Amino acid sequence: DQQVKQNSPSLSVQEGRISILNCDYTNSMFDYFLWYKKYPAEGPTFLISISSIKDKNEDGRFTVFLNKSAKHLSLHIVPSQPGDSAVYFCAASDYGGATNKLIFGTGTLLAVQP
Amino acid sequence: GAVVSQHPSWVICKSGTSVKIECRSLDFQATTMFWYRQFPKQSLMLMATSNEGSKATYEQGVEKDKFLINHASLTLSTLTVTSAHPEDSSFYICSARDLAATNEKLFFGSGTQLSVL
Repeated sequence: DQQVKQNSPSLSVQEGRISILNCDYTNSMFDYFLWYKKYPAEGPTFLISISSIKDKNEDGRFTVFLNKSAKHLSLHIVPSQPGDSAVYFCAASDYGGATNKLIFGTGTLLAVQP
Repeated sequence: GAVVSQHPSWVICKSGTSVKIECRSLDFQATTMFWYRQFPKQSLMLMATSNEGSKATYEQGVEKDKFLINHASLTLSTLTVTSAHPEDSSFYICSARDLAATNEKLFFGSGTQLSVL
């Protein structure tokens, strides 16, 4: 049972445009969400996170939106740059619980075309 | 941010041999480390939670006798894949939790690509 889903395996965007990556989850106990960027044969690197008490968090070119009623979050990258090309994973956690182990989505491969 | 070192970065071994992967937190102490596995085009799947000084907690479906985890110090956790078989070929990633970090507290190693022939 995939508790965190990224339904788009890939996304192609022109440089300078907005990239929107989507993520859905099923477990209402999740209260903390993260986005990671991953290059091949490397570990994920943290990008941005959001707590369930917020609906938006912004950090430079990256903004994460959370819609709890829809159990949906999205990552916006604007403007997109070729260096943003990577696989993006969303992850969820019951951060306020006894453990904060992460449940990852299947990832979306973003290709930013120059 | 905090640094987690994982090695080897890749290993090729014969079927039936055992492989040890090390995960070190270089500039912080980690009482808890996590081991993940990623098959091609799939998600990172949590295998086990490694606790310093105690037994690891394994996720459902992960064989604890096959994937031995030792977390003997606050900066080192090891994963040993015993009697490896081709189906164990995967990308293994560790992460460590730095409770003193101000923002995101979970940091990942660079991963180990295991190929079992």
